[in-house]
Formats: sequence, structure tokens, C-alpha cells
Amino acid sequence: NAGVTQTPKFRVLKTGQSMTLLCAQDMNHEYMYWYRQDPGMGLRLIHYSVGEGTTAKGEVPDGYNVSRLKKQNFLLGLESAAPSQTSVYFCASSYSEEVGRRPLHFGNGTRLTVT
Amino acid sequence: AQKVTQAQTEISVVEKEDVTLDCVYETRDTTYYLFWYKQPPSGELVFLIRRNSFDEQNEISGRYSWNFQKSTSSFNFTITASQVVDSAVYFCALSYDTGRRALTFGSGTRLQVQP
Repeated sequence: NAGVTQTPKFRVLKTGQSMTLLCAQDMNHEYMYWYRQDPGMGLRLIHYSVGEGTTAKGEVPDGYNVSRLKKQNFLLGLESAAPSQTSVYFCASSYSEEVGRRPLHFGNGTRLTVT
Repeated sequence: AQKVTQAQTEISVVEKEDVTLDCVYETRDTTYYLFWYKQPPSGELVFLIRRNSFDEQNEISGRYSWNFQKSTSSFNFTITASQVVDSAVYFCALSYDTGRRALTFGSGTRLQVQP
């Protein structure tokens, strides 16, 4: 099993460009999350999904959109990238009945730089 | 609102010293879960331990030990006889049992173990 796979691993964008980060999990998990990690701030929740076709905002959703068209995939989109979105992005997933009771399964992160 | 505070931004110790990483949390929930994650220089998030709010028993795993005290809302992590391989950023996180059930992370403590 691959677990949680994030693509790409690295990306450099210019201000105003758009891109989509892909998160794929092969564990049939219902819950999926996107976090961003910035120095001195830990990981902050951007958006999350509790099932196929559903999405919801986290703590820092501005400037991002998400979609969960298939249960195994959770896409994070930046429509018009800004330097403030330079960060490391982590995707995570979990079974609904295990969330909190078991650790989340994290991907290895995507390092995004916006110039 | 949930909050996790890791007041120690960076700690530097010499190999074989013991070191304690502090974590203080805030929550209104009666059922919640606490986690510690390690992030080595390679960048991935490694799960270390989970503790639920009903279990205040301390835990020891090899050189690692955790002290959970509900009275002070703390979940501290001690590494005994530290090694260079322990050098990493350590995150404390809190999850609750209802709603989105996402993890709320502290800002992390960077541990540098010098040889």
C-alpha cells in the first residue's frame, strides 16, 4: 500500500499563477485534510472533507479551493498564487470512526515557493 | 476553542543529556486526544504517541516518556540520554471527538542534539 501520496513534491510558481496539489490515498478513508506548515506556526488546517463530494473550511482557507470528487482524492487549488502561500503543504487522511482515536496518516508534503 | 502551546521554540542539548519538551493545551471538550509527532530533517511527520483524556497513566517507551496531567492541561515529552538522531522538530497536537475532528497543532519545538 502506498498510503497517502502527494504530488508534486516541489513546485515554484510566479505570483498570479495557478496550480493544483493532488492528494491520493488508497486506504478507503472517509476523512481527508489539507494543512500548511510555516516556520514557528506549526501546521494549520486549510480545508477538510468528511466524505466524497463534501468539503469544509479550516482555520486558514482564504486563497485556496478544494474538491473531493472521488473518495480517494483530495485536490487543493491555488487560483492566483501569492508569496504568502509559500509553505509546505501536508495532506492527511483517516477513517471516520478512528479520527482522534488513531493518528492521522500523513503524506510526505509538497514544498511550494511563490516568487 | 482549542489551542496547543509549545513555549519552547528551540532547545539545544549535548548528547546523553535528558531533555523535556513542554506542551500545554486548552479545550472545552471532555473527550479529547493528545498526540506527539516528530519531524526529522527529511520533512515527514512521524507519529510517536497518542493519549486519550481518560487515561492519565504516564507512558515509557525506550528512551521516550510522556507525562499527561489533566490538572495542569499538560502533556510533556521527555527524552532520556538524547542522541544526535533525536534532532528534529517535535509537535504536540490535540484532537476532539466531534465535528471535524481535525488535529490542532502546537508551533513545534526544534531540538538540536550536539555530539
